Amino acid sequence: DAGITQSPRHKVTETGTPVTLRCHQTENHRYMYWYRQDPGHGLRLIHYSYGVKDTDKGEVSDGYSVSRSKTEDFLLTLESATSSQTSVYFCAIKSLAGGADTQYFGPGTRLTVL
Amino acid sequence: TQLLEQSPQFLSIQEGENLTVYCNSSSVFSSLQWYRQEPGEGPVLLVTVVTGGEVKKLKRLTFQFGDARKDSSLHITAAQPGDTGLYLCAGAALSASKIIFGSGTRLSIRP
Repeated sequence: DAGITQSPRHKVTETGTPVTLRCHQTENHRYMYWYRQDPGHGLRLIHYSYGVKDTDKGEVSDGYSVSRSKTEDFLLTLESATSSQTSVYFCAIKSLAGGADTQYFGPGTRLTVL
Repeated sequence: TQLLEQSPQFLSIQEGENLTVYCNSSSVFSSLQWYRQEPGEGPVLLVTVVTGGEVKKLKRLTFQFGDARKDSSLHITAAQPGDTGLYLCAGAALSASKIIFGSGTRLSIRP
């Protein structure tokens, strides 16, 4: 357990509305990540952060923004949700395990955009 | 772009049988992880392999990292219904802070 929580765990929203997902960690990890998981695509990186106010884009960043104002929280915002953003969203942190950088995941947020 | 290809995508076998899942790439990774994910939950780390040729065992699961650090396999001996789940491999790039995930193998063990 890497002390990662996500909120909300489930959300249903309508197309065009803004949505913010929160990831919270309690172990002071520097790196945090947001992924989406869809059938047939595995886990795809949306954005990641390597410190407070330091973020970078992943492979599927269009339509998403992130913010990290303090170490423990990493927020993912959909400015205007679309049906294609219906997915399960996972937050992860990076930690050293077994001599290698390894990611540990939160429980996920299931988002449905109608 | 680095890619990790997992095979097979789906596998349904009888309890007690053996199986192997493969994870292949044309790129070299500094390490490779295997995760298992159950419905409604996040992926859970099973093992990390770092050295080319490394073999790690976790009870009935055997993980191997290829000599060239481009591929890996997961072998399960005498599969049990509790092994059912989505198995994901993930490779850490040599110079980046990102990890690349395979698309997963969905394993179903029939009692």
